[in-house]
Amino acid sequence: EPEVTQTPSHQVTQMGQEVILRCVPISNHLYFYWYRQILGQKVEFLVSFYNNEISEKSEIFDDQFSVERPDGSNFTLKIRSTKLEDSAMYFCASTLLTEAFFGQGTRLTVV
Amino acid sequence: AQSVAQPEDQVNVAEGNPLTVKCTYSVSGNPYLFWYVQYPNRGLQFLLKYITGDNLVKGSYGFEAEFNKSQTSFHLKKPSALVSDSALYFCAVEDFNKFYFGSGTKLNVKP
Repeated sequence: EPEVTQTPSHQVTQMGQEVILRCVPISNHLYFYWYRQILGQKVEFLVSFYNNEISEKSEIFDDQFSVERPDGSNFTLKIRSTKLEDSAMYFCASTLLTEAFFGQGTRLTVV
Repeated sequence: AQSVAQPEDQVNVAEGNPLTVKCTYSVSGNPYLFWYVQYPNRGLQFLLKYITGDNLVKGSYGFEAEFNKSQTSFHLKKPSALVSDSALYFCAVEDFNKFYFGSGTKLNVKP
C-alpha cells in the first residue's frame, strides 16, 4: 500500500536554529500539505502546495516557514529560526482526489 | 467557514460494548467527511469517509459512521469495542483540498 514517509521521526533543535523536515508524498498525488499538532491540541493546517507553488497557507505559516519540492519527489518544510512554541508534531499529507494520506509525523522539540 | 466539533474530549467504554464517538460539522455546500485515528506517537490513519450515497459508511477495523444531514452529524460507531481501539479519534471535513479537523476524542476501552 502506498504511504507518505517523513524523516526524521524526531528532531531536537536549539532555539534560533533552522530545521528542515522532509516528506516523500505518494508519487502520483497532486496536492501536498503540512499540518501541525501541538501536544494535546488539535491538528492545525499550515500550508497546501499544488503545481509547485503554495496554494493556501494559514496564519500560523508566517515568514519563518517555507516549503519546497526540490526534486519532484521530496516535499520539505523549513523553519528558519525556531522558537520554543514551534515544538509540535508535524504531519505531511498528500492527496490525489478526496482522501488525504498522512505521514507518521516528525516530532520537533525546540530547546 | 468550515468547522468540525467533537463535543467529547474522552469516551470510556467497556470491551464488547458498542461505542459512539460524536462529530458535528458546519460546511457550506456538500460535505466530504472523514474519520482518522491516531495511536500514541503515530501519524493519522484513515478510517473512513463520506462523499455521497449511502448514509452509513463502513470503514477499517469494523468501524462505521452515519451521515445525518438534518442533524449535521457524522458519528463514528462500532458494535463491539476492543481494547486495541483505544486511541485518539479525529473527525475532519474536506473543503477544496484542505482538511479541517475536530479537536479529537480520546477513546478508552477498558477490559
